[in-house]
Amino acid sequence: AQSVSQHNHHVILSEAASLELGCNYSYGGTVNLFWYVQYPGQHLQLLLKYFSGDPLVKGIKGFEAEFIKSKFSFNLRKPSVQWSDTAEYFCAVNDGSARQLTFGSGTQLTVLP
Amino acid sequence: GAGVSQSPSNKVTEKGKDVELRCDPISGHTALYWYRQSLGQGLEFLIYFQGNSAPDKSGLPSDRFSAERTGGSVSTLTIQRTQQEDSAVYLCASSSPLQLVGLTGELFFGEGSRLTVL
Repeated sequence: AQSVSQHNHHVILSEAASLELGCNYSYGGTVNLFWYVQYPGQHLQLLLKYFSGDPLVKGIKGFEAEFIKSKFSFNLRKPSVQWSDTAEYFCAVNDGSARQLTFGSGTQLTVLP
Repeated sequence: GAGVSQSPSNKVTEKGKDVELRCDPISGHTALYWYRQSLGQGLEFLIYFQGNSAPDKSGLPSDRFSAERTGGSVSTLTIQRTQQEDSAVYLCASSSPLQLVGLTGELFFGEGSRLTVL
């Protein structure tokens, strides 16, 4: 069975700091990888996704993630965070055959103004 | 509607009571999912419906949990004889026929139903 690990449960940064949130998955075959974000009081929404091709994928609001197959990782990055990036971030994986996404436990990001 | 609609947004019940949670997916979306979000636990898959196919119930935690989808649209998640460990936010998501998880990965989520079992 697939599993997803997000090692950082709560990250606190000041505005303009750089961000990297870790995500590791357990499945050894071909995977589809995703980051979802949940802003306070809002529903979960897709931030970015990787299916194939360039392992560096760019998403909305200046976020990007890099797929490193040898490390089973898909870390989320942003060079300079803003207060409005305060949210909970979820990494998710799908092996392409299963119908559902397996989510990590989430990382709460707090950006201080 | 414009998005996935869930009701009630908040439900407080006593241990042992039954509860029903409703999900109205985006019009035209044939795939519907239920997830459970517990504090610090991430999102736990519960059940998946796709069109007229038999649902994937592999994530339901016990036989107290059941779900149905009538007419390929609205879904109801029922929890019988609720326990305190059932307290969580229950999330519903839908996706369109051309956006199944294996193709684009975009699930459209509702805002959830927060269940508190006293």
